Amino acid sequence: NAGVTQTPKFQVLKTGQSMTLQCAQDMNHNSMYWYRQDPGMGLRLIYYSASEGTTDKGEVPNGYNVSRLNKREFSLRLESAAPSQTSVYFCASTDPVMYGYTFGSGTRLTVV
Amino acid sequence: EDQVTQSPEALRLQEGESSSLNCSYTVSGLRGLFWYRQDPGKGPEFLFTLYSAGEEKEKERLKATLTKKESFLHITAPKPEDSATYLCAVHFTSGTYKYIFGTGTRLKVLA
Repeated sequence: NAGVTQTPKFQVLKTGQSMTLQCAQDMNHNSMYWYRQDPGMGLRLIYYSASEGTTDKGEVPNGYNVSRLNKREFSLRLESAAPSQTSVYFCASTDPVMYGYTFGSGTRLTVV
Repeated sequence: EDQVTQSPEALRLQEGESSSLNCSYTVSGLRGLFWYRQDPGKGPEFLFTLYSAGEEKEKERLKATLTKKESFLHITAPKPEDSATYLCAVHFTSGTYKYIFGTGTRLKVLA
């Protein structure tokens, strides 16, 4: 089925550990995004990639890095996880923006 | 300050009891307002885009409307399967990319 695939679905990390969240889309979209969703805070943009080869910071980029590996794949890396990064992470893609985002099913990350 | 506010935070309806959800915004240079539905444990699912005041969009029991300051999502004769969190988002011009989500309205429809 066409859409956005995120891996892993669940992850528990210890403080200071690193990990990469993977995202791939098969809709030939140019733009891809990483959001985090926290209770009472709504969805907040971490990083986005308007097109292959470009990345830009969103609202809450500190503690994260991203890589737009190719048109299909956009990964999010936590270099040294902190408890404040406990959240649900969503990858999304669109092309163009006015057609609405297609979201993945999310990664639930807990940092202890 | 650019802001998107949704109300109420939570809403319980009886099956067939129509109601409306509100999304108010204070941004400049609105390019579009979006409605999404999110089921527990899943990513948001796109419903509608509204571009300008006076525009309306419909899908089954849902109807979205837009004014210069707010949008309404009207739910007519809801069914239990309409239970979900409904999110609105606005896309606007402000130098850099701006797409802000509201915190959502949790809707529960009782049979």
